Amino acid sequence: KQEVTQIPAALSVPEGENLVLNCSFTDSAIYNLQWFRQDPGKGLTSLLLIQSSQREQTSGRLNASLDKSSGRSTLYIAASQPGDSATYLCAVVSNTGKLIFGQGTTLQVKP
Amino acid sequence: DVKVTQSSRYLVKRTGEKVFLECVQDMDHENMFWYRQDPGLGLRLIYFSYDVKMKEKGDIPEGYSVSREKKERFSLILESASTNQTSMYLCASSLTDRANNYGYTFGSGTRLTVV
Repeated sequence: KQEVTQIPAALSVPEGENLVLNCSFTDSAIYNLQWFRQDPGKGLTSLLLIQSSQREQTSGRLNASLDKSSGRSTLYIAASQPGDSATYLCAVVSNTGKLIFGQGTTLQVKP
Repeated sequence: DVKVTQSSRYLVKRTGEKVFLECVQDMDHENMFWYRQDPGLGLRLIYFSYDVKMKEKGDIPEGYSVSREKKERFSLILESASTNQTSMYLCASSLTDRANNYGYTFGSGTRLTVV
């Protein structure tokens, strides 16, 4: 059974710092991996989608990497801002076609 | 951009009521999903559908049913609402089937409180 783990569960950093969020999954047979952002009480906003054949994707200050063989993905946020404060969720599409989520990392960026 | 619209942001219902949560997507996606999100439990899949009139159980289907009469609309039904169904409900859609090369798009969520 596919399991997705995100470490750390919570993170607090000063504004301007570069940071890395980690995601690991137990079964490397995935179709793709997607990073989402969720603000309190809101829905999920897609940040980056990495296909299983890709190694990384970039969007603005965000860069996500994927290493299928080791079952790991990282989300790198450059020059963090208070507006980046949110919960970040990693999810994999398993070989059963289902989207399986990690528990999320709650990020606070302090001014 | 694809939009997934959930009809209500907040709902308060009484125990025993029949509750309908509606979700509409505007980009002709084949696949639609209903999740619930609870603190400490994360997102859990309730039901999903790969086509009109098709439905499949997710991980926690008990107490729920779904309806997909049209491709763009996927309804979640609580036959007899109970307090343990108080939760945030999230609808999602995607373009392809298992290959899912285009990712998932989520709605803004419905916060349901059952009293």
